[in-house]
Amino acid sequence: QKEVEQDPGPLSVPEGAIVSLNCTYSNSAFQYFMWYRQYSRKGPELLMYTYSSGNKEDGRFTAQVDKSSKYISLFIRDSQPSDSATYLCAMSVGGGADGLTFGKGTHLIIQP
Amino acid sequence: EAGVAQSPRYKIIEKRQSVAFWCNPISGHATLYWYQQILGQGPKLLIQFQNNGVVDDSQLPKDRFSAERLKGVDSTLKIQPAKLEDSAVYLCASSLMKNTEAFFGQGTRLTVV
Repeated sequence: QKEVEQDPGPLSVPEGAIVSLNCTYSNSAFQYFMWYRQYSRKGPELLMYTYSSGNKEDGRFTAQVDKSSKYISLFIRDSQPSDSATYLCAMSVGGGADGLTFGKGTHLIIQP
Repeated sequence: EAGVAQSPRYKIIEKRQSVAFWCNPISGHATLYWYQQILGQGPKLLIQFQNNGVVDDSQLPKDRFSAERLKGVDSTLKIQPAKLEDSAVYLCASSLMKNTEAFFGQGTRLTVV
């Protein structure tokens, strides 16, 4: 079993829909959870950063962490064609970028 | 603020040749990372520097990969000799210090034929 599992997609939804992206993990020591967005031929950029369990909201984006189930989610409301990208979940024990373990990424397509 | 600069953007080499990638981190960032991202996979850490010292190189294939960060600023990653399975995007990232957000460059796409 890989440390972090993420469905690679592609996931295709119409513009304006709510998007749900998910990851599961096996290492219970992970405390910090991140979502990165990666456009084609670009480097990843940090989208959301959460510590331990709970929810965090930033504009149209909401990140959820359920440590008891080892399950994290990213929700995108009112999705836009510009949200089309690969979304990578990442997690670490110590925080920040140290010891980051990434998922494979989910390729998201928002249809206009 | 300028981002992380990497060069070249693309490189095609034959197997058994050598190749080098260059990274210039964001000014003042003490921590520098090199990641390998194979097509369809998430980035995998190869090596982490704190200033000019190595913090973690546990996943660096040391028989063929080497990296240095002279004077704690720019860094180079070298592969010698290259194998077909080294085809990937090599990403450089930097952060102000340990355990803070990392900013990624655009990467160097390496194709080994």
